[in-house]
Amino acid sequence: EIVLTQSPGTLSLSPGERATLSCRASQSVSSTYLAWYQQKPGQAPRLLIYGASSRATGIPDRFSGSGSGTDFTLTISRLEPEDFAVYYCQQYGRSPPIWTFGPGTKVEIK
Amino acid sequence: EVQLVESGGGLVKPGGSLRLSCAASGFTFSNAWMTWVRQAPGKGLEWVGRIKTKSDGGTTEYAAPVKGRFTISRDDSTNTLYLQMNSLKSEDTAVYYCTATLQYWGQGSLVTVSS
Repeated sequence: EIVLTQSPGTLSLSPGERATLSCRASQSVSSTYLAWYQQKPGQAPRLLIYGASSRATGIPDRFSGSGSGTDFTLTISRLEPEDFAVYYCQQYGRSPPIWTFGPGTKVEIK
Repeated sequence: EVQLVESGGGLVKPGGSLRLSCAASGFTFSNAWMTWVRQAPGKGLEWVGRIKTKSDGGTTEYAAPVKGRFTISRDDSTNTLYLQMNSLKSEDTAVYYCTATLQYWGQGSLVTVSS
């Protein structure tokens, strides 16, 4: 079973700053099946990135994903006030067809 | 517009049962693999299980903590996904989300297991 680890646990930044979030897998993950979500309090998760680097529909281009193998990164180029939230990485396997989520990174206002 | 609307949550005693429903619209439900994800209060996201389309065999997969207690089913005639939860435990307390693909999520239904 693949385990995802996210770092840091909390990121304290100011609006306009760049945010770099890390997701590390316990074994190699196909880039095809790595996603990132944003979740705000009381809301369902929102898909940001799929296939490690493809932005989902309607996602601003300040969000970008990269990485391969066991190391993946979500970058928010310039933080907007609405970007302060919790971010989860996810591996969505095909064989076995299960989903695994990381524990999340909270991006908070400094 | 894609909509997923969960219902059926509430308070149940340990050992009890509950059935969640997820009403889907705005896409071809019969062509979608459907998934349940849960989130305990203040915690992260946990995959619960998935059901494939009937054309892909209609098979189900479950996470280890719920296997043997939870059952996912679907009714393509009414575009509804179900999660039957039996032998509930306090650790099953969570908001339960239904999802279609990665992009579409319902608003969630809170299940509280407590005496």
